[in-house]
This record gives sequence, structure tokens and C-alpha cells, in this order.
Amino acid sequence: DTAVSQTPKYLVTQMGNDKSIKCEQNLGHDTMYWYKQDSKKFLKIMFSYNNKELIINETVPNRFSPKSPDKAHLNLHINSLELGDSAVYFCASSRQGRTEKLFFGSGTQLSVL
Amino acid sequence: QKEVEQDPGPLSVPEGAIVSLNCTYSNSAFQYFMWYRQYSRKGPELLMYTYSSGNKEDGRFTAQVDKSSKYISLFIRDSQPSDSATYLCAMSGGGNNRKLIWGLGTSLAVNP
Repeated sequence: DTAVSQTPKYLVTQMGNDKSIKCEQNLGHDTMYWYKQDSKKFLKIMFSYNNKELIINETVPNRFSPKSPDKAHLNLHINSLELGDSAVYFCASSRQGRTEKLFFGSGTQLSVL
Repeated sequence: QKEVEQDPGPLSVPEGAIVSLNCTYSNSAFQYFMWYRQYSRKGPELLMYTYSSGNKEDGRFTAQVDKSSKYISLFIRDSQPSDSATYLCAMSGGGNNRKLIWGLGTSLAVNP
């Protein structure tokens, strides 16, 4: 039973398109995150939600919009995709904002052509 | 200067070797120190976390924190080919300041 699951695993799309990535966790956690990992493996926090409320919103273009319909789901919608958006996007979750114990999904490899 | 520095490697060792992975940091407010392992095409997986200074051991893995030197280490004893992965350090402050700061990761290859 996968703890944090993301779909799709791979996403190949053209510049200018709009796409979404979905994330679900079955750990009963109340905090969820989106991370971006670039080609150099650097992990950068994008957003964090606690009980459906946005608590971290790093300097991310407003083409990226997260949505949390409930505590177990956090989706990421990206408008007008650009070449520089190509990266691996990871969803993660934790209990009560405890960042010392993050559980990650397997990632979504996004390639913008 | 980056808040967290980690040598990206790659590090290549023979099976059975003792591996030492390290990170240095500049922010003395960090209280939580984590090591994650990331296999190729997978998400990071928490190996160990330590609060404040000291050592923590879990099987073949030992994490050390030296706050006076702002230096953390992960030791892997009797390394196995299955330990081949990228190891990421991460750290955060305490209280309400739990934003994680990540190292770049060290790529480790354990050769049979």
C-alpha cells in the first residue's frame, strides 16, 4: 500500500500547455508539500499545506497553483509551461508540520519540449 | 556561502568499506539534522534524524552532529551494493522555524 502516491509518473508536454500533477497520502498526515528537484539534484520547497491551508509559498511563478481539496490530497496545476519547468516534482507529507520526518512520493518527471 | 554544503561526489567504495558522508552548515540556529537516501528515479527516504548534538545509531548507520563545528556526518559500516544511492543531508531550526534546508546530495557507489 503506497504511502504517498503521485500521478502521473512521467509527463511530456509542449511549451505553453497546462498540466496537473496529483498527490495523495494515506498516512493520516495533515501537512503536505510540493518540492522541485532540478537536474543537479537540488531539492527546493515550492508549497506547503497544513490542513488544507497554505503555509509555505516560496518564490514560485504564479503559473504554479497548488490545490488541496482535503488533508489527504494536494494537487499542482501548472499553466503555460516553460522549458525551465522541466524537473522532477515530488510530493511529500508529514505530521503537524514536522519537517524532520518527511515521506516522499516517487516523483513526477516533467519534460517540457 | 550556501547555508548547507555537501560534496556531491561521486564517491566509489568497495563492498564492505566504511563510508563517511558529511555536510557543513553556517546557521547556528539549526536544531534538527536529517539524512535521506534517494535511489535513482525514486523519492528521498528518511534514514535518520537527530535533534541537537550527539550520535545516533541504527543498524549499520550512525549519524553524528557536532554543533560546535557546524558539521554533521553519516557513517555506513559494512557497505553493501544496495547502499548505492544519493545521500542528502537536510536541517531545520526548531519551534515554528521548521523550513528544511537541503544539501545537494552525495552520490555513492558501492562496488561488489
